[in-house]
Amino acid sequence: KNQVEQSPQSLIILEGKNCTLQCNYTVSPFSNLRWYKQDTGRGPVSLTIMTFSENTKSNGRYTATLDADTKQSSLHITASQLSDSASYICVVSATSGGSNYKLTFGKGTLLTVNP
Amino acid sequence: GAVVSQHPSWVICKSGTSVKIECRSLDFQATTMFWYRQFPKQSLMLMATSNEGSKATYEQGVEKDKFLINHASLTLSTLTVTSAHPEDSSFYICSARLVAGSTEAFFGQGTRLTVV
Repeated sequence: KNQVEQSPQSLIILEGKNCTLQCNYTVSPFSNLRWYKQDTGRGPVSLTIMTFSENTKSNGRYTATLDADTKQSSLHITASQLSDSASYICVVSATSGGSNYKLTFGKGTLLTVNP
Repeated sequence: GAVVSQHPSWVICKSGTSVKIECRSLDFQATTMFWYRQFPKQSLMLMATSNEGSKATYEQGVEKDKFLINHASLTLSTLTVTSAHPEDSSFYICSARLVAGSTEAFFGQGTRLTVV
């Protein structure tokens, strides 16, 4: 069964600090992995996408890593801002035949950035 | 990036009534749209996959007669919650696939449904 596990479940940090969120997955056959940011009461917004051959990808203050061998990914946020407070969701895509893909969502890490 | 608009953003309805939620792709044509349900502190759960011009494919455990999905055009899919009950209260989110074979999914802003 395809699964995506995220840790920690929630995290509280002070503004300006860095943090790292973890994602472990058992999804096969692997296609790609995305990190989404979901503000409370809003839909998810894509931050990064990583394919099998990519190890690191950055998007501003967000840096995602992928270890396809251990099936782990991380999202590092540097110099956190109050607006970073949100749920961060790891989504892994698996091919399901032809041009079809199936997405498996993690439960997300709820990040709270305090002043 | 592609924009997916969902309407309404929140709705309160009485138990037993029906509610329609719209999902529109504003600047692209979406042959496939997806409907998700999200409970507090839970991940998004796929309810159904909607293909333009054909019947929706529902995930196991999702009642197709209760959650009616219509994808009449390449830019609009609707989800109708029929005979709503308090346990149907949830956050409903749609997403649209930009092109066939793409894993890129653009999400709507979600609809908070409260059934009283």
